[in-house]
Amino acid sequence: GEDVEQSLFLSVREGDSSVINCTYTDSSSTYLYWYKQEPGAGLQLLTYIFSNMDMKQDQRLTVLLNKKDKHLSLRIADTQTGDSAIYFCAESMGRDDKIIFGKGTRLHILP
Amino acid sequence: EAGVVQSPRYKIIEKKQPVAFWCNPISGHNTLYWYRQNLGQGPELLIRYENEEAVDDSQLPKDRFSAERLKGVDSTLKIQPAELGDSAVYLCASSVEARETEAFFGQGTRLTVV
Repeated sequence: GEDVEQSLFLSVREGDSSVINCTYTDSSSTYLYWYKQEPGAGLQLLTYIFSNMDMKQDQRLTVLLNKKDKHLSLRIADTQTGDSAIYFCAESMGRDDKIIFGKGTRLHILP
Repeated sequence: EAGVVQSPRYKIIEKKQPVAFWCNPISGHNTLYWYRQNLGQGPELLIRYENEEAVDDSQLPKDRFSAERLKGVDSTLKIQPAELGDSAVYLCASSVEARETEAFFGQGTRLTVV
């Protein structure tokens, strides 16, 4: 069945890079996503990657996909206090299909 | 432009009582979604509306949950009677077309059942 796993917590010093990891089980997943949820707010789509891509970069965000190992990562360069949030990894078979979310990784920024 | 508006933000009720949540989607968004997010979990889709029609309610516990979207704009989600396990954040989202990945989320209603 479909399952998305990610570690629950990550602490990073301000200015360092954050790397949030995720594994998924459904090899037919075509799209993989990263969402951000700030305290008391709904989810915001940060970025997504199509399964035929290895990497996608958008300003401070870099997404790496290892399709063989079904491993997805999100790297945030120069982590700022405003990056403090819960980051959800998610997958879907297609852009119009249902999204399956992981449990989220809470990113804590140390001063 | 206003985003997705949900009310109330917080609700505390005793078990077996009814509760209702309200959602006002972004103007012009035909598709509306209700999700439940349990503590420490990702959101799970409960129901999706395209205009006033519920097109996917397979995850909605129909014995106690109901939803409506009259006139294809605002929507309400109701639980009657509430159980302790219903404590969660209920998120509403909307999108122009039926594509979850393009949905904008509201802030959610945090329900606590005691």
